[in-house]
This record gives sequence, C-alpha cells and structure tokens, in this order.
Amino acid sequence: EDKVVQSPLSLVVHEGDTVTLNCSYEVTNFRSLLWYKQEKKAPTFLFMLTSSGIEKKSGRLSSILDKKELFSILNITATQTGDSAVYLCAVYIQGAQKLVFGQGTRLTINP
Amino acid sequence: DVKVTQSSRYLVKRTGEKVFLECVQDMDHENMFWYRQDPGLGLRLIYFSYDVKMKEKGDIPEGYSVSREKKERFSLILESASTNQTSMYLCASTSPGTGQTEAFFGQGTRLTVV
Repeated sequence: EDKVVQSPLSLVVHEGDTVTLNCSYEVTNFRSLLWYKQEKKAPTFLFMLTSSGIEKKSGRLSSILDKKELFSILNITATQTGDSAVYLCAVYIQGAQKLVFGQGTRLTINP
Repeated sequence: DVKVTQSSRYLVKRTGEKVFLECVQDMDHENMFWYRQDPGLGLRLIYFSYDVKMKEKGDIPEGYSVSREKKERFSLILESASTNQTSMYLCASTSPGTGQTEAFFGQGTRLTVV
C-alpha cells in the first residue's frame, strides 16, 4: 500500500524560529514529491521535487528530497505569523497516476 | 491560470439523500481526483480518473461513486448520504503528460449531512 507519513503532526514555535517539517514515503513507483500550504481554504502549491539532493528555494522556504532514504524536508527560516498553516506533503505515483497525501503538519507561529 | 471550480462551497443534505458534487477544470488536464479532508487525517483519496470514462478507486471509495463523461468534468456522487460523510471535499487536477504532476485544487465543498 502506498503510504506518505508526515511528522510532527503539530508544531508550535515563536516568531523568528526556524522549523523543519518531515515527510517520508513508501510507494510503488515514485515520480515526484510535492509540498503544499493550506490555510483556511484549498491547498496552494509550494514545491515539486523529483531529484535527490537538489534544494528548491522560495524566499524563507526551502525543501530537499532524499530518494535513497525516501524522505523530504521542508525548512522555514525566520518564521512569521503568516506561516501558520497546515503543510501537506504528497507523492505522485507513476503508472497508477495517483497522488497520495500525508496527514499534514499543523504549524502555529506565536508572536 | 489554471482554474478548478467546484459547484458549491457549502452544502447541507439530509441522511439518505443522493448528493452530487461537481468539479470542472479548464486546462485540459488528463487526471482528476476527489479527496475528503478531515481533521488529523490529511487528504484521503476517494476516486480518481486519468481519462474520460475511466475511474479508479482510491483509499476510501465506499459509499461513493464518480462519473467522468467529459474531460473537463468529474462528478462525485454520494448514493445515500450518511452523517459520517460530513466533511470537506476537494477536487484536484493534474497533467502528468506535460510534466505537471502538481495538483491544482478547487476551493472545496464543505458538506454537512444531518
């Protein structure tokens, strides 16, 4: 069974802290790993990762994939209250053509 | 801009009713998905489709069916709504043939079954 597991499920930090969110996967035929941010509405796309070791960066957010150890991390530096959201990790499975999500990490940034 | 549109933002239905949730995308995407989202459980895949008239069961298909008669439209049907189907329903589409495996989402439908 294809599985995507995120940790921690919930995280509370102070503004300015750096956080690392984890996503591990066990799937039959990996094609890509995706990160999303979800506030009160539909998820918005952050990153797509297909190759190991290549960091993707957007402002204070960055992400990297390790295809040997089957995991990815999402880093957020100098956190702001606007970063408070649920962060979702998903894996696109080749062949079956389906997109499987993890449970999400609820991140709360306190001022 | 890719647009995925779900027909309703909020729905309230009675137990036993047949419920239709509609999703339309305007980017000629091959793949479409229906998920439900419940607190602490993330997005769980109900059904997906990679072509017109094709459908595949996801992880939790029981109590649901789908229809894809046209490429742009993917409908989720609750044959006989029950209270445990109260949830947020999200539709998404992708185009893996063009390398776009990132899903584009509709705004979600919050369904309450009473």
